[in-house]
Amino acid sequence: EIVLTQSPGTLSLSPGERATLSCRASQSVSNNYLAWYQQKPGQAPRLLIYGASSRATGIPDRFSGSGSGTDFTLTISRLEPEDFAVYYCQQYGSSPYTFGQGTKLEIK
Amino acid sequence: QVQLQESGPGLVKPSETLSLTCTVSGGSISGYYWSWIRQPPGKGLEWIGYIYYSGSTNYNPSLKSRVTISVDTSKNQFSLKLSSVTTADTAVYYCAREQGRTIFGVVHNWFDPWGQGTLVTVSS
Repeated sequence: EIVLTQSPGTLSLSPGERATLSCRASQSVSNNYLAWYQQKPGQAPRLLIYGASSRATGIPDRFSGSGSGTDFTLTISRLEPEDFAVYYCQQYGSSPYTFGQGTKLEIK
Repeated sequence: QVQLQESGPGLVKPSETLSLTCTVSGGSISGYYWSWIRQPPGKGLEWIGYIYYSGSTNYNPSLKSRVTISVDTSKNQFSLKLSSVTTADTAVYYCAREQGRTIFGVVHNWFDPWGQGTLVTVSS
């Protein structure tokens, strides 16, 4: 199975700053079939990005995804207070679907 | 819009079978793949398996020997059974609709939307 490793484990930033989250795969993710989710405490994950770079419906354009092959990035251009949460990547290029271990984005 | 709601016992004894149901509202279960995903307290996400509305399934090999997912299109529901549970199966269990594409019979889907999740504790 494809192992996804997210870095950093925790990212401490201030509102207004730019956040860059990384997701690295143990082998190439076919057709860039990679998604990103946001999870707030006590809530279910919410889809942000699919296909590595396509924003889901209703997701603000400050969220963007990029990358291909084994290296993917989620960028939040200017952090809003509501963006502080845990972010997960997920690959759906091959079975079983797998998730990264998460990056916690916390307020500095 | 489509909403999903998990239901079932919150406490299961070791060695018994965990049973959960996901009820889909605001849309039909037909035409889609539906998944179960779990999250142990304070930890990350693990995909358990999916079912197509027609009944075909695919399970995570790590759980395959203990998992059964079924669908009832007349009730717009799908269900999860996990047998021989241990304390390691304590988790929040989510149901989710899959979206994406099937190419040459291979399914490539992300998850959207998700249910709110239900905590299942395995304890005697």
